[in-house]
Amino acid sequence: EAGVAQSPRYKIIEKRQSVAFWCNPISGHATLYWYQQILGQGPKLLIQFQNNGVVDDSQLPKDRFSAERLKGVDSTLKIQPAKLEDSAVYLCASSLTAGGSTDTQYFGPGTRLTVL
Amino acid sequence: GENVEQHPSTLSVQEGDSAVIKCTYSDSASNYFPWYKQELGKGPQLIIDIRSNVGEKKDQRIAVTLNKTAKHFSLHITETQPEDSAVYFCAASKPKGGGNKLTFGTGTQLKVEL
Repeated sequence: EAGVAQSPRYKIIEKRQSVAFWCNPISGHATLYWYQQILGQGPKLLIQFQNNGVVDDSQLPKDRFSAERLKGVDSTLKIQPAKLEDSAVYLCASSLTAGGSTDTQYFGPGTRLTVL
Repeated sequence: GENVEQHPSTLSVQEGDSAVIKCTYSDSASNYFPWYKQELGKGPQLIIDIRSNVGEKKDQRIAVTLNKTAKHFSLHITETQPEDSAVYFCAASKPKGGGNKLTFGTGTQLKVEL
């Protein structure tokens, strides 16, 4: 079974530029998550989709971050404009069911973003 | 919201020794407690999880214990090997509409020395 795929793996941009990350979850997984992991910290949830609807985006900085999951499969996370403090690893995860409160979350390898 | 504290932040053990990592959580409604291992340059990988209806779970050299009253849970690794060296994260979640929202601890860097 293929895992969660993410691209690109690394990205370096200047502050105030825009960037986009892509995620392809495990086939058949209904729920998709984007996390931000700052160096030395645990992952922090940014947004959670159930199929193609947003379930939780309470920690997403909506003035600069946006995300979509068209057709309930792939997802993109965008930052515009980027700030220095956005430097982090952006992790995508997926879980099997829609609404499963104890479903295992499977993580992708992440995209390491450096903002200069 | 939920708060998860994890200790220690670094742990160094000799190969073959045991390692214990402890976490506490704040929300008594939390009912799912996974542990993830993260190697350098990779995403977190689930190694074991426990649900609130059990107090202990074991999988070969790895075990997790849960004390709901004290809101503590711990990861135990026995007979440690060099390949166990990584960062370990605990997490907690509670039922909410639309799935589970994991709150992670700050991680423990485990180093297994030869």
